[in-house]
Amino acid sequence: GEDVEQSLFLSVREGDSSVINCTYTDSSSTYLYWYKQEPGAGLQLLTYIFSNMDMKQDQRLTVLLNKKDKHLSLRIADTQTGDSAIYFCAERSGGGYQKVTFGTGTKLQVIP
Amino acid sequence: SAVISQKPSRDICQRGTSLTIQCQVDSQVTMMFWYRQQPGQSLTLIATANQGSEATYESGFVIDKFPISRPNLTFSTLTVSNLSPEDSSIYLCSVANPNEKLFFGSGTQLSVL
Repeated sequence: GEDVEQSLFLSVREGDSSVINCTYTDSSSTYLYWYKQEPGAGLQLLTYIFSNMDMKQDQRLTVLLNKKDKHLSLRIADTQTGDSAIYFCAERSGGGYQKVTFGTGTKLQVIP
Repeated sequence: SAVISQKPSRDICQRGTSLTIQCQVDSQVTMMFWYRQQPGQSLTLIATANQGSEATYESGFVIDKFPISRPNLTFSTLTVSNLSPEDSSIYLCSVANPNEKLFFGSGTQLSVL
């Protein structure tokens, strides 16, 4: 079945850029998403990218997609303490079923 | 974006009982999904709630344990039956229309004693 992998932990200093990486196996992916989960909360959709795009920028967030290598990244510019959370990447398969598979989550710690 | 109301937000239940979780959306959506997030883990899809037909369950999840209703295009329920401590998790409802973004409710935190 589909598999989505992320590194478990990332620590950055406030003001630096954070880059969270994700790899996936499903070659039929249509959409790839980044979600943020703060402690005790649900999932917040941060951004998403169509599989036929290479890059998407949304304010401090930049998503890069290398479809050949099945690699997705999320860059957060000028990281703030409020960005501390768990970040999940997810991929949506093509076809009628369109199942969404989530990565393991990366815990981002921002050091003041 | 869809606004999703999920109830209850949290509950503490006794072993052997059942909990029914409700998911209400402010607009009609084709797809509704139920996910489980065990402590410190990622999200696992339990099933897809189909309007007017039986839910489609993922491997490892069965209808007897997780019965689902989807009476219309804006509402679904998930019941977690015969509760055991291993069922303690966050349960999340999510919605989408084909080829569109996936949105989540705020989740139900279930603790089983």
